[in-house]
Amino acid sequence: RKEVEQDPGPFNVPEGATVAFNCTYSNSASQSFFWYRQDCRKEPKLLMSVYSSGNEDGRFTAQLNRASQYISLLIRDSKLSDSATYLCVVPPGGGGQGNLIFGKGTKLSVKP
Amino acid sequence: DGGITQSPKYLFRKEGQNVTLSCEQNLNHDAMYWYRQDPGQGLRLIYYSQIVNDFQKGDIAEGYSVSREKKESFPLTVTSAQKNPTAFYLCASSMREGGGTDTQYFGPGTRLTVL
Repeated sequence: RKEVEQDPGPFNVPEGATVAFNCTYSNSASQSFFWYRQDCRKEPKLLMSVYSSGNEDGRFTAQLNRASQYISLLIRDSKLSDSATYLCVVPPGGGGQGNLIFGKGTKLSVKP
Repeated sequence: DGGITQSPKYLFRKEGQNVTLSCEQNLNHDAMYWYRQDPGQGLRLIYYSQIVNDFQKGDIAEGYSVSREKKESFPLTVTSAQKNPTAFYLCASSMREGGGTDTQYFGPGTRLTVL
């Protein structure tokens, strides 16, 4: 299994829809996770951190399933401005010297 | 305003030339990183530094060099030895080395094109 895997999409959804992305990871010792948002030709920006079972921030909910080694991102009531690529980010496990591992991203396109 | 700045935003160079990309942060972060992103690809780590005067190779360090003489600055030199230098280069920083839960914050990036 690759270290971090994401469905590249694109996910094409209408405004107001609910959409969910999954991200699977291979290192069972990883403790915390991140979702970043990257707009076209821009830098990634932190969307959410996931430290335990999950985290909610407005229309966005991130959940962690350690048993199955995946994290998910749920976006409710999609807006046009949500169109972007969403990167799943996994730290190395065990507090070691390694660095964050970035997924290739899932592209979301919200249509009017 | 606290943040990370990178310059220039766009850079063109001729094949065979070395070029240095600037990265500055005023967040008082200890750790700094350089990534490369190619179209449709994830971020790949080039070099990182946890503390002044110390840096470590990442996954794709060949053809690149860095220095960390000041906490605020982590310039990246793309040398002529780098075979495919055209890419989007992103600098990031975090409070400490990102092996734990520290969030990395990114600069706006430099888009390098080799002609």
